[in-house]
Amino acid sequence: EVQLVESGGGLVQPGGSLRLPCAASGFTFSVYWMHWVRQAPGKELVWVARINPDGTYTSYVDSVKGRFTISRDNAKNMLYLQMNNLRAEDTALYYCVMDYGAYSDYWGQGILVTVSS
Amino acid sequence: QSALTQPASVSGSPGQSITISCSGTSSDIGTQVHVSWYQQHPGKAPKLIIYDANTRPPGVSSRFSGSKSGNTASLTISGLQAEDEADYYCSSYTTSSVYVCGPGTKVTVL
Repeated sequence: EVQLVESGGGLVQPGGSLRLPCAASGFTFSVYWMHWVRQAPGKELVWVARINPDGTYTSYVDSVKGRFTISRDNAKNMLYLQMNNLRAEDTALYYCVMDYGAYSDYWGQGILVTVSS
Repeated sequence: QSALTQPASVSGSPGQSITISCSGTSSDIGTQVHVSWYQQHPGKAPKLIIYDANTRPPGVSSRFSGSKSGNTASLTISGLQAEDEADYYCSSYTTSSVYVCGPGTKVTVL
């Protein structure tokens, strides 16, 4: 059974940092593009970032470029999102997603990140 | 502000058909194959119901169908059922190698 389990969320002050791990199991992690998608409370989905299967290519939504870094460890079946210089508008539920918008699309349950003083 | 445009709400009676539109530009929907639709019930993670504009993933009801014409994609739900009441989001790959999403459409079954 496919499982994506996010962790590492919580309350952080503006300007602070957080690292979100996502533990993957039940599928061959190393062959899939992986993504992070976020959703502010009561708001729409926002695609945040993606990484290719071997970790050599990444892309980001403009609002997080230079602040967020997506990475993966295929040996450990782990996806990460390093978030620096956090802002209030980064407050959201962050989802780890396999194969976003494609045949094998699968989402974790999400982890809440709150940026507030 | 979302890059794609969707109606805020659509409603219909059980058994009816409804269509949700998703308008974009030549930088996204108009030139991209990878247009998808998601269904999201309250408190749940989104579920993919259409990908590549008109393809259903395994296990998704045939009552859901997608299409694309020019810069606009559409999702049709036929034989509307109470369980279809949810938020629906469109998404598209773009010429900038990122994805954009619509603001979501709330479907109400009367």
